[in-house]
Amino acid sequence: NAGVMQNPRHLVRRRGQEARLRCSPMKGHSHVYWYRQLPEEGLKFMVYLQKENIIDESGMPKERFSAEFPKEGPSILRIQQVVRGDSAAYFCASSPRPGSYEQYFGPGTRLTVT
Amino acid sequence: QKEVEQDPGPLSVPEGAIVSLNCTYSNSAFQYFMWYRQYSRKGPELLMYTYSSGNKEDGRFTAQVDKSSKYISLFIRDSQPSDSATYLCAMLRGNNNDMRFGAGTRLTVKP
Repeated sequence: NAGVMQNPRHLVRRRGQEARLRCSPMKGHSHVYWYRQLPEEGLKFMVYLQKENIIDESGMPKERFSAEFPKEGPSILRIQQVVRGDSAAYFCASSPRPGSYEQYFGPGTRLTVT
Repeated sequence: QKEVEQDPGPLSVPEGAIVSLNCTYSNSAFQYFMWYRQYSRKGPELLMYTYSSGNKEDGRFTAQVDKSSKYISLFIRDSQPSDSATYLCAMLRGNNNDMRFGAGTRLTVKP
């Protein structure tokens, strides 16, 4: 049973470019969460999605960030016009139920903005 | 004041020692309390969860929650070098999606 998959594992972007991060949840999970982890800081919740719906985006920056979880395919976190401050590790997690403590994390995508 | 406080360490212990990791929190609405283990350059792995107050044991690991003091602990008995990792506490309100994490405590168990 494959775990949560994220790609790419490492992504380098120049300031002003777009970053697209992909997350495939565990088989049978239809709830996806995105988190950001800055150096020496804990994970910060960004957004919670179900298939074709954004349920809670209270942790998402108001500009340049968007997320989707289409009916087919992985969940995508998109960051437009990246800035140096966007450099971080981005993790997605999936769960079998809504609002669940039982979240399984992927290996993360490490974004570096040069 | 942060909603979840966790001493970042680092904490270094000899193999076989009992390790105590702790978090405090300020929001009394938290109902689920989790401990995650994160190895370097990896994603967090759920170790244990507790609902409301009480103790929970799983092998060498024991989780304790004291809601009256807003204090949670994770104990690791007979610690092994393979336990060397960062340990993150996390908390969740009921019917809520916004899991709040501590900053993590970096643990090293020396052979």
